[in-house]
Amino acid sequence: GQQLNQSPQSMFIQEGEDVSMNCTSSSIFNTWLWYKQDPGEGPVLLIALYKAGELTSNGRLTAQFGITRKDSFLNISASIPSDVGIYFCAGDGGTNAGKSTFGDGTTLTVKP
Amino acid sequence: DARVTQTPRHKVTEMGQEVTMRCQPILGHNTVFWYRQTMMQGLELLAYFRNRAPLDDSGMPKDRFSAEMPDATLATLKIQPSEPRDSAVYFCASGWAANYEQYFGPGTRLTVT
Repeated sequence: GQQLNQSPQSMFIQEGEDVSMNCTSSSIFNTWLWYKQDPGEGPVLLIALYKAGELTSNGRLTAQFGITRKDSFLNISASIPSDVGIYFCAGDGGTNAGKSTFGDGTTLTVKP
Repeated sequence: DARVTQTPRHKVTEMGQEVTMRCQPILGHNTVFWYRQTMMQGLELLAYFRNRAPLDDSGMPKDRFSAEMPDATLATLKIQPSEPRDSAVYFCASGWAANYEQYFGPGTRLTVT
């Protein structure tokens, strides 16, 4: 099946720094989604992208649907301690099946 | 504030016992998913339903796992018999097939000794 390569696998940053992470696929996607999982909780949808080139913000988070439709990026500006968690990208895999393929996640640690 | 609910939140059981996990999806959603999360495997899709019909359960060990949706407000995942390697967090999620957005429950943390 389709696989998503999410990088980096983990990040250790200082509070106030900006963060960038990305997700790539070998096949074209029509939908990209970004989720965040806090420790002990289920993933929460942050941003959904439906159009190549689309740039969408949610507070300090900005995500982009790559123009090739094979990648997506998530940026966090001015990180704070509560940004700690695992960030997952997901995509529809170019299918019409209603289910998503998930990346393996980027674990973010923010040092105060 | 509509949420996916899951019960139990924690379950400790002995090897060989039956385990049943329950999920109440958000009212109006037409897709329901079961995932398993371990440190080693990440988020692994076990099964999913659309309009209560099972569409894909290829991720489940068929000999011991079963998933059903007896009605629109309840999805169940059963393991019989359970094994220590089934220890993981099991998440239910619901959403709309049209936009792929999924809303996750808080998970059931299963420990099989």
